[in-house]
Amino acid sequence: EIVLTQSPGNLSLSPGERATLSCRASQSVSSYLAWYQQKPGQAPRLLIYGASSRATGIPDRFSGSGSGTDFTLTISRLEPEDFAVYYCQQYGSSLGTFGQGTKVEIK
Amino acid sequence: EVPLVQSEAEVKKPGESLKISCKGSGYTFTNYWIGWVRQMPGKGLEWMGIIYPGDSDTRYSPSFQGQVTISADKSINTAYLQWSSLKASDSAMYYCARRDGVISAADYWGQGTLVTVSS
Repeated sequence: EIVLTQSPGNLSLSPGERATLSCRASQSVSSYLAWYQQKPGQAPRLLIYGASSRATGIPDRFSGSGSGTDFTLTISRLEPEDFAVYYCQQYGSSLGTFGQGTKVEIK
Repeated sequence: EVPLVQSEAEVKKPGESLKISCKGSGYTFTNYWIGWVRQMPGKGLEWMGIIYPGDSDTRYSPSFQGQVTISADKSINTAYLQWSSLKASDSAMYYCARRDGVISAADYWGQGTLVTVSS
């Protein structure tokens, strides 16, 4: 099973700052990597697929990069609604696996 | 629009059976896979399995094989997740999610069904 390790576990930032989240795979997943946002009491929402393609309706302050084993989600300027938990997910092997999540909280 | 609507929360006793549902609308239900994801309290996300309602092709994650049954009724655009004998450790939030293919991200998610198993 491919293991995804996200870092950091928690990220404390202020609105307007840049957020950089990392996801590392235990083996190559090519570009079969997605990012999801989950707010308390809500279902996850797809942000990025194919490592760098934004899903429908996702603001351009969200961007994804990487391939193989190292991936990054960048939020260029944090808005109040962006404080949430972010999960990466690989879908190139088996049914896919999720990382353990990065919580982006208000500083 | 909300393409996936799940059944309401359930409270069950250990040993009881349960079937929860996920109804699709606004798209061709038989052209997309529906997956089920478990989220235990305060924890992360786990894929349980997926089904293609067009032909009922079903795949399970090894951790959930034999523990649950995934099915679909394409005549009513509904997918199901079923347990024959619940355990306390099955208490969790369960989400259904739509996937374009087996090798695909999940683009739409249901609102979740909370299952509580307690004596």
